[in-house]
Amino acid sequence: ETGVTQTPRHLVMGMTNKKSLKCEQHLGHNAMYWYKQSAKKPLELMFVYSLEERVENNSVPSRFSPECPNSSHLFLHLHTLQPEDSALYLCASSQATGTVHGYTFGSGTRLTVV
Amino acid sequence: GDSVTQMEGPVTLSEEAFLTINCTYTATGYPSLFWYVQYPGEGLQLLLKATKADDKGSNKGFEATYRKETTSFHLEKGSVQVSDSAVYFCALLPVYGNNRLAFGKGNQVVVIP
Repeated sequence: ETGVTQTPRHLVMGMTNKKSLKCEQHLGHNAMYWYKQSAKKPLELMFVYSLEERVENNSVPSRFSPECPNSSHLFLHLHTLQPEDSALYLCASSQATGTVHGYTFGSGTRLTVV
Repeated sequence: GDSVTQMEGPVTLSEEAFLTINCTYTATGYPSLFWYVQYPGEGLQLLLKATKADDKGSNKGFEATYRKETTSFHLEKGSVQVSDSAVYFCALLPVYGNNRLAFGKGNQVVVIP
């Protein structure tokens, strides 16, 4: 399988639940990203992992917890979310340095918090 | 810092019309420039790119030319189809710094039959 794969595609969770989003890439990339896309708002970069180390955390609430166990996999662990966290969560990957090719995105997980 | 500006507001046009979406950038040196497309319910897909001045990126009938003199990378298509209805994002990859893509706000394009 090629490209960036995100699972699940859709997720509905209560505010007291704990769930995880998964992202997987088989492109040989060594940097991975989580973005949040809300209606009527610009794309928000949440976390960046480069060479399996978190190198950026853009003021994201602690109820979002990323994990990158290896260069091919990225998780976003969710707990005690709020309704305003409902959004499309996008994963992307790229080469860590020197790339002119941009990022490759997954299809996203549509999250609804009830 | 380096940034991208897209024209405000959605674009609505009829099938077979000419489409232009404006994108201008602010950057040091010669960044790489991209157009991404997001179809309903999907993630972002790379539509085309250009890595140096005067390069023309093209794909699926879309074109954009890297204009250093006007710091622009406008997206054009000569005859749109209903299937082109999507959100289009202009993006920039800086020459210097941390390899972070800078995105514009995106433009919703609606093509009416």
